[in-house]
Amino acid sequence: ETGVTQTPRHLVMGMTNKKSLKCEQHLGHNAMYWYKQSAKKPLELMFVYNFKEQTENNSVPSRFSPECPNSSHLFLHLHTLQPEDSALYLCASSQGHGGAETQYFGPGTRLLVL
Amino acid sequence: GENVGLHLPTLSVQEGDNSIINCAYSNSASDYFIWYKQESGKGPQFIIDIRSNMDKRQGQRVTVLLNKTVKHLSLQIAATQPGDSAVYFCAENTAGNNRKLIWGLGTSLAVNP
Repeated sequence: ETGVTQTPRHLVMGMTNKKSLKCEQHLGHNAMYWYKQSAKKPLELMFVYNFKEQTENNSVPSRFSPECPNSSHLFLHLHTLQPEDSALYLCASSQGHGGAETQYFGPGTRLLVL
Repeated sequence: GENVGLHLPTLSVQEGDNSIINCAYSNSASDYFIWYKQESGKGPQFIIDIRSNMDKRQGQRVTVLLNKTVKHLSLQIAATQPGDSAVYFCAENTAGNNRKLIWGLGTSLAVNP
């Protein structure tokens, strides 16, 4: 148990569906992250939030829309996804962002887009 | 058992042996390095870290070695156990105003009983 929870753990959706991934951290951290993990590729950083403000968007398509209502919660809203978006989506948090920070990960949401 | 570079993403060792997982990092200015372990069905879990002003750091059964001259990082696991079976990732934290973690591809460690 890392103190970072993600729901749902598994999600199957069609290309026309709208769904949301949820992440919650119980560590009192100020920074939260979304990563995409695909087979045989390094972890891809998607978004970074620091004190609820988005500080990084690594050229992520607009069909992925993050939301960070407070420092403990992070959402990833999904709409009109493509099959190549199927992957494990990982949420992480760290005390801050910008220094040498250890990130703590949730278990991920395994997403399959049909 | 030992893997070399990124050309051998799988390492198989006998239970009780020592394991060495290698990682070549890209940025000579990186000043912080982390090893993560990812078991099946779980997210990456922090194992050990090292700052660039050190060349060795030890934890419980794990040792990280840093060679800045050749930009090489290694993770040594002593007396490898079946529970060590996982994918191991190294990550480097780039220095400067725009710090970010750069992740390696990962090495899969399989421990044979």
